[in-house]
Amino acid sequence: DIQMTQSPSTLSANVGDKVTLTCRASQSIRTWLAWYQQKPGKAPRLLIYKASILESGVPSRFSGSGSGTEFTLTISSLQPDDFATYYCQQYNTYPWTFGQGTTVEIK
Amino acid sequence: EVRLVESGGGLVQPGGSLRLSCAASGFTLSSYEMNWVRQAPGKGLEWISNISGSSIDTHYAESVKGRFTISRDNAKNSVYLQMNSLRVEDTATYYCASGRSCINGLCDDDLYFRHWGQGTLVTVSS
Repeated sequence: DIQMTQSPSTLSANVGDKVTLTCRASQSIRTWLAWYQQKPGKAPRLLIYKASILESGVPSRFSGSGSGTEFTLTISSLQPDDFATYYCQQYNTYPWTFGQGTTVEIK
Repeated sequence: EVRLVESGGGLVQPGGSLRLSCAASGFTLSSYEMNWVRQAPGKGLEWISNISGSSIDTHYAESVKGRFTISRDNAKNSVYLQMNSLRVEDTATYYCASGRSCINGLCDDDLYFRHWGQGTLVTVSS
């Protein structure tokens, strides 16, 4: 199975900060990577797919980049609504696998 | 508006069975692969199964293979997950999620999960 490793596990930041979350795959997944946001008690929400394509309706402060084994999700200016847990997911090879998540907390 | 609504969760004893349902509306279910993803309390997400629009192809995570069976009834706009031989470690919120679309044998690349239900909680405990 392809292992997805996210870092950091927790990130403390202020409103207005630029934050970068990292996701590493144990082998190349080309650009078959998605990012999701999840808030407590809610279903995940798709943010980014194919590593860098912004899902419709997602604010433009979110962006994704990377290919192969290294990927990033950047929030250009953190907003109060962005405090949540973020997961990456590869869909290059079955079984589809997720990272363990990065929780973005208020500093 | 696309809507996915899961049902069928509850408390079951180890070794027991449960059948989850996912009712879909707002899109042509038969054109989409569908997935089940679960999340144990306080833990991350785990993809466990998917099924093609025609039901011909199914895939499972090793953790549920041989115990869980995914199926669908496009006429009823529903997807199901039959869970047998349940274990304590199967305790989780189970989500159904849409996958890629396939029309006339041609499928897009959208293997990620665009639409999600609200989830249904399965608790396996004695």
